[in-house]
Amino acid sequence: QKEVEQNSGPLSVPEGAIASLNCTYSDRGSQSFFWYRQYSGKSPELIMFIYSNGDKEDGRFTAQLNKASQYVSLLIRDSQPSDSATYLCAVGHYNQGGKLIFGQGTELSVKP
Amino acid sequence: EPEVTQTPSHQVTQMGQEVILRCVPISNHLYFYWYRQILGQKVEFLVSFYNNEISEKSEIFDDQFSVERPDGSNFTLKIRSTKLEDSAMYFCASSPTRDIGNTIYFGEGSWLTVV
Repeated sequence: QKEVEQNSGPLSVPEGAIASLNCTYSDRGSQSFFWYRQYSGKSPELIMFIYSNGDKEDGRFTAQLNKASQYVSLLIRDSQPSDSATYLCAVGHYNQGGKLIFGQGTELSVKP
Repeated sequence: EPEVTQTPSHQVTQMGQEVILRCVPISNHLYFYWYRQILGQKVEFLVSFYNNEISEKSEIFDDQFSVERPDGSNFTLKIRSTKLEDSAMYFCASSPTRDIGNTIYFGEGSWLTVV
């Protein structure tokens, strides 16, 4: 059973702080890794994806991937109250394109 | 910005009734998907569809479910005889390719309530 694990939270950080969200996955053959944001009752919204070891930065967001440790993380710098949402980690194989396995999600709360 | 559109946004149906959820994927996308999310639970893959046939399906996608692309724009999910446990948010999604790093875009979802 391919699993994606996240700490469900809630994770609470003050406005302006760095929020760190973590995800581990069980399938070593996984090749692509995605972070989605989901507001309550809404659809997942893609934040970024990563498929090479190391860091990938996009504005206030940095994704980090360590395939040896089967670990992917998302850092949010200068957190804003509008970042309060559930963050979903998703893992996929390019030859099973579209079959994303999602984690449970981590609820982030940014306090003003 | 192009988006995946879904109808209806919310449907209430009696147990045992047939339901069809509709989706219009992004126009130049070739791969289409349905996912579902039961309230408070994970987003789960149901099925992927390419070139007018199912590419992959999950264990959830049993004989009660079917998908169809009846014309050049719509993509539908049919649940033949709904059960209480089919109550969930159903997300349609599409992507341009299946390559590594492929990004999948989700519609706003159809909330299905089976009573």
